[in-house]
Amino acid sequence: ETGVTQSPTHLIKTRGQQVTLRCSSQSGHNTVSWYQQALGQGPQFIFQYYREEENGRGNFPPRFSGLQFPNYSSELNVNALELDDSALYLCASSGLAGPYNEQFFGPGTRLTVL
Amino acid sequence: AQSVTQLDSQVPVFEEAPVELRCNYSSSVSVYLFWYVQYPNQGLQLLLKYLSGSTLVKGINGFEAEFNKSQTSFHLRKPSVHISDTAEYFCAVSDPPLAQKLVFGQGTRLTINP
Repeated sequence: ETGVTQSPTHLIKTRGQQVTLRCSSQSGHNTVSWYQQALGQGPQFIFQYYREEENGRGNFPPRFSGLQFPNYSSELNVNALELDDSALYLCASSGLAGPYNEQFFGPGTRLTVL
Repeated sequence: AQSVTQLDSQVPVFEEAPVELRCNYSSSVSVYLFWYVQYPNQGLQLLLKYLSGSTLVKGINGFEAEFNKSQTSFHLRKPSVHISDTAEYFCAVSDPPLAQKLVFGQGTRLTINP
């Protein structure tokens, strides 16, 4: 069984640029959640996708957007990058968005904004 | 809104000593509670979870936690730690039954000294 994978591992961008991060779900999972983990902080929920639709969003501005594809892989897009966007971005996949399903986390993408 | 407070940002202990990592949450209604571990340059791994039932929950790697509703606490314990337990530990809460979004604490860095 393949776990959650994320690409790229590391990324360096400059302020104002746009970035796309990618996530492949664990086999059999149809729900993907994205989290931002700033240095020295706990992860913060960005949003969740279920069957290609946004299924809940945290307190993040609209320049954070996402997509989920028919194979349940997902992208996180961030426009107009700011210095504070520097963080580890974690993707987690889970089963049906019904009664509790464990979220399995990928290794993350570390984004540095200069 | 849910919030989680991890009372210690760093906990140093000697190998084979017992350890307790403290976690308090804000909600007075029913919740799901979790402890995750994060090793350097890795994603999050679930140690244990409380969904319902027995208030003493056993997890992987010899860890256990006790749910205390009256004190809104979910402290993590291990009777004898090993060097390999050195990591960052996160307490998290979510709302039943969907557990759509995890709200994390700031994390506790556990350092094991020989």
